[in-house]
Amino acid sequence: GQQVMQIPQYQHVQEGEDFTTYCNSSTTLSNIQWYKQRPGGHPVFLIQLVKSGEVKKQKRLTFQFGEAKKNSSLHITATQTTDVGTYFCARSSGAGGTSYGKLTFGQGTILTVHP
Amino acid sequence: GAVVSQHPSRVICKSGTSVKIECRSLDFQATTMFWYRQFPKQSLMLMATSNEGSKATYEQGVEKDKFLINHASLTLSTLTVTSAHPEDSSFYICSARDRQGGVGELFFGEGSRLTVL
Repeated sequence: GQQVMQIPQYQHVQEGEDFTTYCNSSTTLSNIQWYKQRPGGHPVFLIQLVKSGEVKKQKRLTFQFGEAKKNSSLHITATQTTDVGTYFCARSSGAGGTSYGKLTFGQGTILTVHP
Repeated sequence: GAVVSQHPSRVICKSGTSVKIECRSLDFQATTMFWYRQFPKQSLMLMATSNEGSKATYEQGVEKDKFLINHASLTLSTLTVTSAHPEDSSFYICSARDRQGGVGELFFGEGSRLTVL
């Protein structure tokens, strides 16, 4: 199937350290979305990347889309305890990869931050 | 952003009973809603796509007679877990897109944690 592979599965960091999670696809992606799920909560949309080589920033979060549109990464600078949660990438898997098709999620990276 | 409400948030039932979960889009119309299932520390697995006014589309391996989906209006989809068994215990989350705005992101309900005894 059209899966996205996400690594690592777990990441434990000390507060103040950086964190990165990676998503890889064997096929070209039309776009990729990132979500954050706090423990016990529901996923919340963070961002969507569409263009080859695109880089977007949200405060301490940096999102990248690979030149070949087959991989993406989320980098958090100087993690804080509020960053704790599971970060998922997701690809459109509907027909034609339209924005309104269904999403297939990566396995997620569980981030824990030790104060 | 758009709001999706899901109810109940938690339900405990006996084996063999049926449980209905409701998903509502509060401030937008959703012709399509998606139902996901999530086991602890695992990813979201799409179960089915709920289509307003027509039959739901189920993912491979999901029993349509086990997980009944009804999308009777543009703001409400329901998932009924019929004859629930302990292996059905999971976190069920609905989601929808607001076709009038945003970039096509999914808005998720709060989720329903089902425990079957």
